[in-house]
Amino acid sequence: EAGVTQFPSHSVIEKGQTVTLRCDPISGHDNLYWYRRVMGKEIKFLLHFVKESKQDESGMPNNRFLAERTGGTYSTLKVQPAELEDSGVYFCASSQHLSSGNTIYFGEGSWLTVV
Amino acid sequence: EDQVTQSPEALRLQEGESSSLNCSYTVSGLRGLFWYRQDPGKGPEFLFTLYSAGEEKEKERLKATLTKKESFLHITAPKPEDSATYLCAVNSASGTYKYIFGTGTRLKVLA
Repeated sequence: EAGVTQFPSHSVIEKGQTVTLRCDPISGHDNLYWYRRVMGKEIKFLLHFVKESKQDESGMPNNRFLAERTGGTYSTLKVQPAELEDSGVYFCASSQHLSSGNTIYFGEGSWLTVV
Repeated sequence: EDQVTQSPEALRLQEGESSSLNCSYTVSGLRGLFWYRQDPGKGPEFLFTLYSAGEEKEKERLKATLTKKESFLHITAPKPEDSATYLCAVNSASGTYKYIFGTGTRLKVLA
């Protein structure tokens, strides 16, 4: 069974440019999450989709970040315009059920460097 | 406020030298506590989910335990391939389904 897939694995862009990250969850997983780790900090929650609906977007830093999940399959996270402090690794994760505990499975991450 | 603190930040062990990693947490009701392993340049790899105090889970040389305030990840007779960062996260029953992560413990096992 394929795991969570993320693209691109690495991206270097200039301040002010736009970057779009893509995530394909594990097949059959309705729940999709975005997390981020910036240098020296812990992994932090960004948002949670249930199918195509945003269940919780309380972790989104500001309106330069836009996440979509059209059709309830893959998701994209767009950063526009990118700032230096957006550098870090963006993890996507998915889970099948929102049961007690709700174990989630992570992808390898998209490493973003803004210069 | 929900919070997770992991200690130590880094740990060096000789091969075969058993030890424990600590994860202290504060949540408004625990829905689950999770342990992940992360190798450099990779995503977190799921190890264990613990739901209630007193619960224990084992996998090869790893054993996770849970109390009402903390969890321990015990590593018995570690090998160099156990070297990684070990992450602890909690999900609060009073909130949404987001995880709160600790900063991790970087483990290095020397041959």
